[in-house]
Amino acid sequence: EVQLVQSGAEVKKPGESLKISCKASGYSFAGNWIGWVRQMPGKGLEWMGMIYPADSDTRYSPSFQGQVTISADKSISTVYLQWSSLKASDTAMYYCARSTAPIDYWGQGTLVTVSS
Amino acid sequence: EIVLTQSPATLSLSPGERATLSCRASQSVTNSFAWYQQKPGQAPRLLIYGASNRATGIPDRFSGSGSGTDFTLTISRLEPEDFAVYYCQQYGSSPYTFGQGTNLELK
Repeated sequence: EVQLVQSGAEVKKPGESLKISCKASGYSFAGNWIGWVRQMPGKGLEWMGMIYPADSDTRYSPSFQGQVTISADKSISTVYLQWSSLKASDTAMYYCARSTAPIDYWGQGTLVTVSS
Repeated sequence: EIVLTQSPATLSLSPGERATLSCRASQSVTNSFAWYQQKPGQAPRLLIYGASNRATGIPDRFSGSGSGTDFTLTISRLEPEDFAVYYCQQYGSSPYTFGQGTNLELK
């Protein structure tokens, strides 16, 4: 059974760094694109980017390029989403998603709240 | 970047009625096109992929059609559990983009 299990909710202050995770199981992690989708409060879905763990090829939406970093650790079948300096506007639910065209499996979501 | 525009933004219908949701792309899209359903507090769920193929476990009252720049999701007879937000997505050209969503609400 394919499962994507995300790390828990985070509350951070503006300017802080953060790395959230998504552990995959039940399929070949290295051979499937996996990525992140943002959903701001009360808003729609935004595709952020994805990574191919086998060779770490990474694609970003222009809206998120330079704002976040997507990485993966094949040894523990885990993908990460990282910020170096959070802003209040980063407050959102973040879903990891197996992106082997289309998105067929989703994580449960990680709520990130950025507030002073 | 391919922009997807969904219409209508909100659709008010009753159980048993037929729902027709549309999605238009800013440029021609291959058949790499999907529809998702999202209920409050839940992750989205894949309904349709390849423009017209139902995902595993999706009832046959859901159907997808279209090609090029115009795509449609049809729910033939609405059940109470179908009232939710629906998103289209193209996954043929990176960045993979979503439409802004259609809120299918109970009339």
